[in-house]
Amino acid sequence: QSALTQPASVSGSPGQSITISCTGTSSDVGGYNYVSWYQQHPGKAPKLMIYAVSNRPSGVSNRFSGSKSGNTASLTISGLQAEDEADYYCSSYTSSNTLGVFGGGTKLTVL
Amino acid sequence: EGQLVQSGAEVKKPGESLKISCKGSGYRFTSYWIGWVRQMPGKGLEWMGIIYPGDSDTRYSPSFQGQVTISADKSISTAYLQWSSLKTSDTAMYYCVRRGDYYCFDYWGQGTLVTVSS
Repeated sequence: QSALTQPASVSGSPGQSITISCTGTSSDVGGYNYVSWYQQHPGKAPKLMIYAVSNRPSGVSNRFSGSKSGNTASLTISGLQAEDEADYYCSSYTSSNTLGVFGGGTKLTVL
Repeated sequence: EGQLVQSGAEVKKPGESLKISCKGSGYRFTSYWIGWVRQMPGKGLEWMGIIYPGDSDTRYSPSFQGQVTISADKSISTAYLQWSSLKTSDTAMYYCVRRGDYYCFDYWGQGTLVTVSS
């Protein structure tokens, strides 16, 4: 069982917005602003999309945004596009170990 | 722009040993932790362990402690993941990742597919 809880799947139509949640505890998500999000297309390596809760690396579309409230972090994708269809994983620093923790992943389907 | 380049796919038999590699370039290799992540077919990401190439400080996930060995050769900017006796259940894609600032994983290797089958 993954340490961070994500919905198994979400879906949306092109142009719409969707939000993926990532729920942890006060020892990880809630206690630190070190939540990051990764996009993984089939057969490809994951790609960093958001770091430190709400920051986008250079080159990542501003349609991707992150936020956090309490023990739950969220990734929002606005103006959904077909190319956004992928698996998304959250990750957080945790006081429990040096490695960090991943969420179980969410499959985004663009209808 | 930094990058991590992993060694190629491997097909092994149960009981065989294996060492896969991850070469860093474009940044100071000794200043960032390098982790290994397992992804079994159709499944999510799992932490295996992490190493600081500057001093070879290594930490393992409890699930993988004693099952694999992580090492690094800073003279050639390369990290390694090795098994002494593979099992069929080790069949998976293995990624190396750089832990950047803010505890995010900013560089990912392309992955090494390990297939263990008799």
